[in-house]
Amino acid sequence: ETGVTQSPTHLIKTRGQQVTLRCSSQSGHNTVSWYQQALGQGPQFIFQYYREEENGRGNFPPRFSGLQFPNYSSELNVNALELDDSALYLCASSLGGRGQETQYFGPGTRLLVL
Amino acid sequence: GDSVTQMEGPVTLSEEAFLTINCTYTATGYPSLFWYVQYPGEGLQLLLKATKADDKGSNKGFEATYRKETTSFHLEKGSVQVSDSAVYFCALTRFNAGGTSYGKLTFGQGTILTVHP
Repeated sequence: ETGVTQSPTHLIKTRGQQVTLRCSSQSGHNTVSWYQQALGQGPQFIFQYYREEENGRGNFPPRFSGLQFPNYSSELNVNALELDDSALYLCASSLGGRGQETQYFGPGTRLLVL
Repeated sequence: GDSVTQMEGPVTLSEEAFLTINCTYTATGYPSLFWYVQYPGEGLQLLLKATKADDKGSNKGFEATYRKETTSFHLEKGSVQVSDSAVYFCALTRFNAGGTSYGKLTFGQGTILTVHP
């Protein structure tokens, strides 16, 4: 069974640029959630995708957007990067729908905005 | 809205000491409760979970009991090891009466645990 993978592992961008982060879900999982973890804090929910549709969004501006593909992998796009976007971005996959949903996390992408 | 509050850290213990990390929550509906652990430079790993009141989650010597009356889910371990040094996060996800998840995990701020030999 393949776990959740993310790419790239590290990224450095400058303010105003755009970035795309990628996530491959665990085998058999159809739901992907994205979280932002600032240094020294708990992860904050950005949004979730279930079967290619957005299924809930946290308190993040529209310049944070996402996609889920038919194979259930996902992308997180951030436009017009700001210094405060520097964080660890975590992807989690789960088997969605009714019932219990345990989310399994990838290793994260560490983004630094200069 | 939903929230999770963890005890202030960091926590520093000697090997074989008893560990308690307090966690309380605020949520409507029917939350499931989780403890995740984050080792340095890594993502989050699920440590244990409990899905209804009075359930006890356990894994690798860690335990936590879902207490609805005190809205708590404290993490305990009888004898910690140096390898337990990490950041521990308490989290919840909420389901409606029909059993459908609202999707997101709400995390506490994390508690840093350092265990010395």
